[in-house]
Amino acid sequence: GNSVTQMEGPVTLSEEAFLTINCTYTATGYPSLFWYVQYPGEGLQLLLKATKADDKGSNKGFEATYRKETTSFHLEKGSVQVSDSAVYFCALRDGGATNKLIFGTGTLLAVQP
Amino acid sequence: GAVVSQHPSWVICKSGTSVKIECRSLDFQATTMFWYRQFPKKSLMLMATSNEGSKATYEQGVEKDKFLINHASLTLSTLTVTSAHPEDSSFYICSARVEAANYGYTFGSGTRLTVV
Repeated sequence: GNSVTQMEGPVTLSEEAFLTINCTYTATGYPSLFWYVQYPGEGLQLLLKATKADDKGSNKGFEATYRKETTSFHLEKGSVQVSDSAVYFCALRDGGATNKLIFGTGTLLAVQP
Repeated sequence: GAVVSQHPSWVICKSGTSVKIECRSLDFQATTMFWYRQFPKKSLMLMATSNEGSKATYEQGVEKDKFLINHASLTLSTLTVTSAHPEDSSFYICSARVEAANYGYTFGSGTRLTVV
């Protein structure tokens, strides 16, 4: 079945450092891909998405490009802030009647001042 | 737009009692809602998919008699944890598929359940 593999955390960075969180997927066809962010004690918020190959999703300085050749959707940000500290989830939309989301294990990002 | 309101945000209950968690779509109709459980430092585990007016579809390994899901209207889905035990303590999150947003999804803020 479809699945998402995400790099293990936690990732600890200093403010203004460059961020990469790796995400690869296994799926039949070309599913839509998502990054969600979860701040402490809260639910998930959509960060960005891409619906087809070579699409680049971007939001709040974060970017991710849908690479079908490498089946990847890595999350990047050029300069992180303390306020970016959260758990980041990579996900794909499963095909079928329900179109449910399949999540990776999540990566905790801790940004230190 | 496309807000899902989840209540309560946290609840403490005694072993053996039942707890109901509600998710309401405030400004759209949610034909399909998803219920997730999140363990500490773990990903979201999809428990079930509920469709308005029909029985929920449970994922493998989820006890349907323990986690009762009702989706009686287009704006309300409920999850009832019956005869709760300490191992049911977890963070539960609902999500709705937003038809008008090209199959986008919106999430509730989650419910922290602690069974003592």
